[in-house]
Amino acid sequence: SAVISQKPSRDICQRGTSLTIQCQVDSQVTMMFWYRQQPGQSLTLIATANQGSEATYESGFVIDKFPISRPNLTFSTLTVSNMSPEDSSIYLCSVEPGVNEKLFFGSGTQLSVL
Amino acid sequence: KNQVEQSPQSLIILEGKNCTLQCNYTVSPFSNLRWYKQDTGRGPVSLTIMTFSENTKSNGRYTATLDADTKQSSLHITASQLSDSASYICVVKNSGTYKYIFGTGTRLKVLA
Repeated sequence: SAVISQKPSRDICQRGTSLTIQCQVDSQVTMMFWYRQQPGQSLTLIATANQGSEATYESGFVIDKFPISRPNLTFSTLTVSNMSPEDSSIYLCSVEPGVNEKLFFGSGTQLSVL
Repeated sequence: KNQVEQSPQSLIILEGKNCTLQCNYTVSPFSNLRWYKQDTGRGPVSLTIMTFSENTKSNGRYTATLDADTKQSSLHITASQLSDSASYICVVKNSGTYKYIFGTGTRLKVLA
């Protein structure tokens, strides 16, 4: 199993600013995933964060907008850069400790951009 | 196209009643199917994981079924409680890409 501490839990930000979201896992995991959940929508994968290499981004998401750090096997950050109201969403980190194990999620960051 | 569709979008039931949520998928090749419960303001929490060969799996008052031939799954909740009020999300893993495809969820409201 895995316990993920994600923060902040929520924030209200001004347009044009950046917010960094942190996730700390209580065990070492190879890959961490970052998702976005817009209101009334399903979870959409932003990128996969690999320790020791650059993150792998999904179509529609770019590193300049969502830079990711993965300094070790228990920690990752996602930055939402140059925010606009369209970035208002819930952002979630997730890990899969073993193949075909459960996906464990952080508690989410509710972001509102004014 | 890899898709997961859930129905109904929302559901209101009285406490103590049973309900069944549906999930249809077109994900291929199929690895496994998962049901998650997401309380408001929280991250999703796993309820069940089912592989190709499993037809039924229970977790307390939650029972999931899988028909891999018709690519359908259901989640049955027995004797609902107020704490069951949440979104229930069906997730299918693609064994070729190892990616997870998420449904939009069913929002369940249990009333006293």
